[in-house]
Amino acid sequence: DAGVTQSPTHLIKTRGQQVTLRCSPKSGHDTVSWYQQALGQGPQFIFQYYEEEERQRGNFPDRFSGHQFPNYSSELNVNALLLGDSALYLCASSFGTGNYGYTFGSGTRLTVV
Amino acid sequence: EDKVVQSPLSLVVHEGDTVTLNCSYEVTNFRSLLWYKQEKKAPTFLFMLTSSGIEKKSGRLSSILDKKELFSILNITATQTGDSAVYLCAVWGEINAGNMLTFGGGTRLMVKP
Repeated sequence: DAGVTQSPTHLIKTRGQQVTLRCSPKSGHDTVSWYQQALGQGPQFIFQYYEEEERQRGNFPDRFSGHQFPNYSSELNVNALLLGDSALYLCASSFGTGNYGYTFGSGTRLTVV
Repeated sequence: EDKVVQSPLSLVVHEGDTVTLNCSYEVTNFRSLLWYKQEKKAPTFLFMLTSSGIEKKSGRLSSILDKKELFSILNITATQTGDSAVYLCAVWGEINAGNMLTFGGGTRLMVKP
């Protein structure tokens, strides 16, 4: 039973560029939440997708956007990258908008230079 | 705004020592508190606490919640080098009919042989 899969595992981008991160939820899960974890800090909630809609959003600018596909997988897009966007981006999947079975992926390490 | 504070920020102990990690919180519509262990990337689930005063145990790890004083502790007895990790505390609140995890900044534990 595959867990939460994120890709890529690492990537390096230049300031001003755009990036897309991907997440496949655990089998049976239909909700995807995204978190940003800067070095030495705890994860911060970016947004949550359920039924292909953004259901809730944390305190992140509009440069951060997302999408959920009919197969429940999700993408996180960040435009106009800043050095401060360098972080580990974690995806978590669950069933429904509650916390049932909440499971984290291994993350994507983004470095902006 | 929901808030979770963990202490200490970091801790260095020797194998066999006992450690206590602290987590205090302020959250609207508290539902539960969770502890995670993060070694490299994906946080791995340790405990979920919903009721006050009931200790949860798993081997050498245990945790308890005090809903009146708004804090939780995680105890690790007879520490081993494999316990070296960042320990994250998170709370489930409910905002605007959605839900999100609010994390503390983590406690970095290093266990020396």
